[in-house]
Amino acid sequence: GNSVTQMEGPVTLSEEAFLTINCTYTATGYPSLFWYVQYPGEGLQLLLKATKADDKGSNKGFEATYRKETTSFHLEKGSVQVSDSAVYFCALTPTGRRALTFGSGTRLQVQP
Amino acid sequence: DAGVIQSPRHEVTEMGQEVTLRCKPISGHDYLFWYRQTMMRGLELLIYFNNNVPIDDSGMPEDRFSAKMPNASFSTLKIQPSEPRDSAVYFCASSKGQGATEAFFGQGTRLTVV
Repeated sequence: GNSVTQMEGPVTLSEEAFLTINCTYTATGYPSLFWYVQYPGEGLQLLLKATKADDKGSNKGFEATYRKETTSFHLEKGSVQVSDSAVYFCALTPTGRRALTFGSGTRLQVQP
Repeated sequence: DAGVIQSPRHEVTEMGQEVTLRCKPISGHDYLFWYRQTMMRGLELLIYFNNNVPIDDSGMPEDRFSAKMPNASFSTLKIQPSEPRDSAVYFCASSKGQGATEAFFGQGTRLTVV
């Protein structure tokens, strides 16, 4: 079946630190990969996506590269801010399907 | 556009009662999804519709759960009878078109069954 595995949280960083949140996936074919972010009390928002191998998704200073050889889609940001504190979800849609399969989420706490 | 609108935002009900959650998708979107979020199980897909037709309901936990989409602008998720283990945040999301398009989420309904 299809599944997404994320690193356990919470991840606690100081402002301006480098962020990596690991994500690996299991899927047949060529899934599309996503990172969604959830701020407290809100629904999920798309952060970035990639639809084929070696694609790099980027938004608001965050980046992730679709690595088919390692079935990974790790999220990175060079310098985090307090406002980045949220829960981050890695997700995929299998080939030919529309519904998202989510990882368990990683809570990021950025301290000033 | 106001985005995906869910109501109510919070619902507290007694075990055994019927609960109805409502969702208005973004106008023009042809896919609608219902997800459930719990600490233990994370985000799970319950059911999704395409052009008002249910496509995959394999995530619906049991017969107590039912979902309908009578038209392109409205969907309901009903639980009857409700149980304490149904307590969760229920999200509705919608998207448009083919391919890896963005799903837009509502703010969710926090359901507590006591």
